[in-house]
Amino acid sequence: SQQGEEDPQALSIQEGENATMNCSYKTSINNLQWYRQNSGRGLVHLILIRSNEREKHSGRLRVTLDTSKKSSSLLITASRAADTASYFCATDGKGGGNKLTFGTGTQLKVEL
Amino acid sequence: DAGVTQSPTHLIKTRGQHVTLRCSPISGHKSVSWYQQVLGQGPQFIFQYYEKEERGRGNFPDRFSARQFPNYSSELNVNALLLGDSALYLCASSLPGTGVSSPLHFGNGTRLTVT
Repeated sequence: SQQGEEDPQALSIQEGENATMNCSYKTSINNLQWYRQNSGRGLVHLILIRSNEREKHSGRLRVTLDTSKKSSSLLITASRAADTASYFCATDGKGGGNKLTFGTGTQLKVEL
Repeated sequence: DAGVTQSPTHLIKTRGQHVTLRCSPISGHKSVSWYQQVLGQGPQFIFQYYEKEERGRGNFPDRFSARQFPNYSSELNVNALLLGDSALYLCASSLPGTGVSSPLHFGNGTRLTVT
């Protein structure tokens, strides 16, 4: 079953704009990760945020985590056409390990 | 360094047949996980293996099995294929095996079509 729900399901923006996508989850976590998937290919890890962190940056990416609301957001600043992909959040359980539960994904399209 | 490699890339099978999918992890990675991704959905966890032992299993029937070899490569086997098994099967490797979640490195997957 899918633990998380991404919102929106699809997002279309112009190059240079910012893209924000949200993720909600249901159970307690150790950490939350964001992954990108280009059409039909494997997932690429973007960023990991631990449950005791509230915000994390990596290049043009900014992730926030609100454990009280069981939600996270991913902000991509100054988007580029190459950012076009599906984005997934993934959570582990309190037991840790590599059993990740992925959300349903946000399809981002960045147009020139 | 080579990434996670999976073979074959595409496969077409008939209902009731058996399939074996293969995965080679990144050199030095001892943990391998398998995920199933049905079109339009996020990946779902099938198995994790670490040091050749099963360390986690998702909500999949016994038709699904896996193993890890001494060189840390892995095989996923699915028996008695159903139409609903059609999906992208993803293998991922990571350094730590248990207790701590870490970034997963995914292969490009095997696209299985069951007719």
